[in-house]
Amino acid sequence: QTVVTQEPSLTVSPGGTVTLTCTSSTGAVTSGHYPNWFQQKPGQAPRSLIYSTSNKHSWTPARISGSLLGGKAALTLSGVQPEDEAEYYCLLYYPGARVFGGGTKLTVL
Amino acid sequence: EVLLVESGGGLVRPGGSLRLSCAASGFTFSTYSMNWVRQAPGKGLEWVSSISSGSDYIYYADSLKGRFTISRDNTKNSLYLQMNSLRAEDTAVYYCARGGSGTYIWDYWGQGTLVTVSS
Repeated sequence: QTVVTQEPSLTVSPGGTVTLTCTSSTGAVTSGHYPNWFQQKPGQAPRSLIYSTSNKHSWTPARISGSLLGGKAALTLSGVQPEDEAEYYCLLYYPGARVFGGGTKLTVL
Repeated sequence: EVLLVESGGGLVRPGGSLRLSCAASGFTFSTYSMNWVRQAPGKGLEWVSSISSGSDYIYYADSLKGRFTISRDNTKNSLYLQMNSLRAEDTAVYYCARGGSGTYIWDYWGQGTLVTVSS
């Protein structure tokens, strides 16, 4: 069974920069896993942020970016704002399946 | 404006069945793949199933195969999830999400519908 792992929690100061990562139990994450990233705030539906590793939606803030970093998918938030406090999930594609990571709870403090 | 509206959730007894619907509007439904995702109370997101635009390709999470069936009716702009032999662990908010039109993109999500499996 494929497992996708994310940091359970991270804390960042307002205005700071933080990188969230997404690891696959099958080996290195590549562009062929088409990493997607989502943000979810309490009581709300998820919101899509990034698709196919680094592509932004029209509503994705410019301070948010996606990349591949050392065999992992990565989501970087620069100039963090209080409204960035949320749960973040990655999604990876596998043959015949898609798998979400367990989520990273980002605290802005 | 793209809209996805789920319905059909509710309280069901263990072993029962439920059919969820997702009504789509604001885009050409027949050209996009679609997905179901669920979230148990206080837990993370779990991928349930995906279906291609023409229903040629259908995928399920291994843990759900045989109990859940995804389908779509492009003439009605609707996505469905038939859930049988429901268990307490199927209790969750079920979301539909739009996939790509020839791309590996997830973009729009519905607001979700709650399914509670309890006696």
